[in-house]
Amino acid sequence: QKEVEQDPGPLSVPEGAIVSLNCTYSNSAFQYFMWYRQYSRKGPELLMYTYSSGNKEDGRFTAQVDKSSKYISLFIRDSQPSDSATYLCAMTLGGTGTALIFGKGTTLSVSS
Amino acid sequence: EPEVTQTPSHQVTQMGQEVILRCVPISNHLYFYWYRQILGQKVEFLVSFYNNEISEKSEIFDDQFSVERPDGSNFTLKIRSTKLEDSAMYFCASSVGTANSPLHFGNGTRLTVT
Repeated sequence: QKEVEQDPGPLSVPEGAIVSLNCTYSNSAFQYFMWYRQYSRKGPELLMYTYSSGNKEDGRFTAQVDKSSKYISLFIRDSQPSDSATYLCAMTLGGTGTALIFGKGTTLSVSS
Repeated sequence: EPEVTQTPSHQVTQMGQEVILRCVPISNHLYFYWYRQILGQKVEFLVSFYNNEISEKSEIFDDQFSVERPDGSNFTLKIRSTKLEDSAMYFCASSVGTANSPLHFGNGTRLTVT
């Protein structure tokens, strides 16, 4: 079983839509969960960083972690064409220097 | 805003040649990392580095790979004898080093092995 699963999409939505991106994982020991955004030909850019279960909100972005279901989500409200990118979930066991395990990424396209 | 800088942006090399990828991490960061992304696949961890030694490495990071911090600003990844399957985007990242501080990535070096 793959460690982190993420639907690659592509996902196409109109401007202003609410977008839901999801990842599932198999290792219950993961403690820290991240969402990165990656534009074409660029490196991953950190969007959200969450420890353990719960919600975290930052502007139009909300990250949710449900450790009991091994499921994490990123919601984007009022989506904009500039949100068009690939969104990568990542997680780690914890401890500085430990490896991030990434999902494959979901490609999002927001049309104006 | 400070950023991680990687050079070159694109490197073409012949199979069997040695290649060095260079990175300048954010200046006050203490942990340094290399990740790679083969086209169409996941971003994969290669190695983390702290206090001039490897902190953790993946099974991908075999004897063909090495890392070095040759001076106070650069962090390098060397591949001794490149293979076709080494073709990928290589991302350098750094973090402050406090407990579970997030990683900041550079824009990558595209390595093409012919």
